[in-house]
Amino acid sequence: AQSVAQPEDQVNVAEGNPLTVKCTYSVSGNPYLFWYVQYPNRGLQFLLKYITGDNLVKGSYGFEAEFNKSQTSFHLKKPSALVSDSALYFCAVATGGGNKLTFGTGTQLKVEL
Amino acid sequence: GAVVSQHPSWVICKSGTSVKIECRSLDFQATTMFWYRQFPKQSLMLMATSNEGSKATYEQGVEKDKFLINHASLTLSTLTVTSAHPEDSSFYICSARPISGRYNEQFFGPGTRLTVL
Repeated sequence: AQSVAQPEDQVNVAEGNPLTVKCTYSVSGNPYLFWYVQYPNRGLQFLLKYITGDNLVKGSYGFEAEFNKSQTSFHLKKPSALVSDSALYFCAVATGGGNKLTFGTGTQLKVEL
Repeated sequence: GAVVSQHPSWVICKSGTSVKIECRSLDFQATTMFWYRQFPKQSLMLMATSNEGSKATYEQGVEKDKFLINHASLTLSTLTVTSAHPEDSSFYICSARPISGRYNEQFFGPGTRLTVL
């Protein structure tokens, strides 16, 4: 069975500072990893994905994530946070050929002035 | 591109009534659509997977007779909550996987907030 852990329920960061939202995963086989963002009462918006290739993946709105196979992690990062980045972030994993996305519990990001 | 819509965006109904939620892929064809349920401050839980023209596959613990799913075309799937009760109140989100999609690409709808009184 595949699983995703987001160890932090909430992350607070000051605007302009770098941010990191943590994600670790457990799968058998090669993982397909995703980050999504959700604003209040809205569906999920795709940020980025890792399938294969370069471990550093760049996505929408200046976000990036680094795939670390040895640590089974896929942390989301941004060099300079904006107040508008405040939202709920979900990490998800799937395995090749599978349809199912398994989501983490989500991390609430709060960026303050 | 890759836009998924849901209708209605919110609905309030009385206990015992049925509610239908539509999920449409607007600019692509989807072989597979997924229905998720999200409780406040919790993650998305997959309810069922529907493939066009065939019966939906329900996740363990999801009542197929209560949550009826129909995927009649490559652009439309519907979820009907039958005989709704207050405990069915939730945020329901669909996603769609394009025919040409790779690597488990899914595009999500904006969600439907269901409140059962």
